[in-house]
Amino acid sequence: DAGVTQSPTHLIKTRGQQVTLRCSPKSGHDTVSWYQQALGQGPQFIFQYYEEEERQRGNFPDRFSGHQFPNYSSELNVNALLLGDSALYLCASSSRGRGSYEQYFGPGTRLTVT
Amino acid sequence: AQSVTQLGSHVSVSEGALVLLRCNYSSSVPPYLFWYVQYPNQGLQLLLKYTTGATLVKGINGFEAEFKKSETSFHLTKPSAHMSDAAEYFCAVSGVFGNEKLTFGTGTRLTIIP
Repeated sequence: DAGVTQSPTHLIKTRGQQVTLRCSPKSGHDTVSWYQQALGQGPQFIFQYYEEEERQRGNFPDRFSGHQFPNYSSELNVNALLLGDSALYLCASSSRGRGSYEQYFGPGTRLTVT
Repeated sequence: AQSVTQLGSHVSVSEGALVLLRCNYSSSVPPYLFWYVQYPNQGLQLLLKYTTGATLVKGINGFEAEFKKSETSFHLTKPSAHMSDAAEYFCAVSGVFGNEKLTFGTGTRLTIIP
């Protein structure tokens, strides 16, 4: 049973560019949440998708957007990249439809903005 | 609003000694509480969770935590530290329904002294 998978593993972008990160949830899960973890910090919630809609959003600008597909996989898009966007981006999946409280995390995508 | 405070960004214990990692939370509603562990260059792994019911919660790898409402605490303990316990530990609180966003503390880096 595959867990949460994310791609790519590492990414280097230049300021002003756009980036797309991808996440496939754990089998049986229907909800995907995205977190940003800056170096030496705890993860910060970006947003959560359920039934292809954004259900919750953290304190992140509109440059951060997402999408959830019918197969429950998800994308995180960041436009107009800033140096401060350099971080580990974590995807977590859960089973909101089943009332499960546990979020399972993927290995993350390390984004470096130069 | 919810928040988590982890006391001690770095904790060192000798192999075989008691591990105690402190977490205090603030929540306007009954909290759902979690401890996650993060090994270098990896995602987060759930150690244990408190939802409702028994206040002493047992998790994986010999860890346990006790929910103390009067002290708004959820400290993580392990009777005997192993070298493999060296990692970053995060305490987190979730929303009203338990499957919403996670709010993390800043983390505690645990070092095991041989």
